[in-house]
Amino acid sequence: DTAVSQTPKYLVTQMGNDKSIKCEQNLGHDTMYWYKQDSKKFLKIMFSYNNKELIINETVPNRFSPKSPDKAHLNLHINSLELGDSAVYFCASSQGTSGFTGELFFGEGSRLTVL
Amino acid sequence: GQNIDQPTEMTATEGAIVQINCTYQTSGFNGLFWYQQHAGEAPTFLSYNVLDGLEEKGRFSSFLSRSKGYSYLLLKELQMKDSASYLCAVIDSNYQLIWGAGTKLIIKP
Repeated sequence: DTAVSQTPKYLVTQMGNDKSIKCEQNLGHDTMYWYKQDSKKFLKIMFSYNNKELIINETVPNRFSPKSPDKAHLNLHINSLELGDSAVYFCASSQGTSGFTGELFFGEGSRLTVL
Repeated sequence: GQNIDQPTEMTATEGAIVQINCTYQTSGFNGLFWYQQHAGEAPTFLSYNVLDGLEEKGRFSSFLSRSKGYSYLLLKELQMKDSASYLCAVIDSNYQLIWGAGTKLIIKP
């Protein structure tokens, strides 16, 4: 069983389009994250949700909107895609309820290419 | 600001030993992680240090000195499959995880 799964794994789209990436974890963790890894390989936190509530919202354009229907799911919707949005987006989860305290479990990543 | 420094790239020979260093300047410290990331894959957990000293786990060991803001990952008996990026990450005083850019390790036969 995949612990953290995200779809799609690959996404190629045109500038200006809107797209979504879905993430689900079956580990029973309280906290989920979205990270962006660009070509320089830095992992940048974008959002963190704890039990469906937003706890981290880094400085990302408001074209990015996370949505957590329940604590096992955290989806990422991106409006009006730009070339600079091309990156690998990783979903992750961890146990703990007050900030980051435990090991992160990552999904396989979603490689977004904006043409 | 908060900063984590690691070498960008290292090369080592199969069967040898390599040490990957990580220095950090963060607002507080609540632990340090090492993750391994193969090309095109997700990072996977290697080790966690919160107290000074050496933690050994098979061929991999991780060392921490909080007073020096320094850690290293030691890989012994290198295998070709160890070719990957190794990411250092620190939990700061707000329990946020700060990531380094990673060290790409190339293993040669």
